[in-house]
Amino acid sequence: AQSVTQPDIHITVSEGASLELRCNYSYGATPYLFWYVQSPGQGLQLLLKYFSGDTLVQGIKGFEAEFKRSQSSFNLRKPSVHWSDAAEYFCAVGPINAGNMLTFGGGTRLMVKP
Amino acid sequence: EAQVTQNPRYLITVTGKKLTVTCSQNMNHEYMSWYRQDPGLGLRQIYYSMNVEVTDKGDVPEGYKVSRKEKRNFPLILESPSPNQTSLYFCASSRPGTGNTEAFFGQGTRLTVV
Repeated sequence: AQSVTQPDIHITVSEGASLELRCNYSYGATPYLFWYVQSPGQGLQLLLKYFSGDTLVQGIKGFEAEFKRSQSSFNLRKPSVHWSDAAEYFCAVGPINAGNMLTFGGGTRLMVKP
Repeated sequence: EAQVTQNPRYLITVTGKKLTVTCSQNMNHEYMSWYRQDPGLGLRQIYYSMNVEVTDKGDVPEGYKVSRKEKRNFPLILESPSPNQTSLYFCASSRPGTGNTEAFFGQGTRLTVV
């Protein structure tokens, strides 16, 4: 069965510091990987996705993620965090031909200190 | 504007009183899904539909029903809601294809069953 683990439930970083959110997945076939962000009271916004090609993918808002097949990981990074990045972040995996049947991780809540 | 619209956004109801949460998308997507979001568990898929009159159970279907009579609509029905169905619900849609697909999410429906 497929699964996604986000080991960090909460992370606090200072504004301007770098950020890395961890995501490990278990999937029996070629994975299709996503990072979504959920701001308080809002729906989910897609940050970036990976399905093939370059293992370092760029997304919106200055985020990037690196797919490492050998480690079954898809960690999200940002070089300099802004206060507006405070939100909950979800990693998800799905089949490569159906972007709608996703398995999500438990989420990581990011807090940003001034 | 391309969007997935859920109604209502907030709902408080009593145990056993049937309710329907509507979901509509204007992108002519074949795939639609319902998820529930609970703290620490991320989003879990309730039901999905790959086209009109084609629906299937997700990971947590118990206590829910869906129908897909039209391509744009995918209502979620709780015939006899119980307090353990108190949650944040999201509808999503996408098109089939290999790789370059993504799920678009509605704004969410916060349901409280007392």
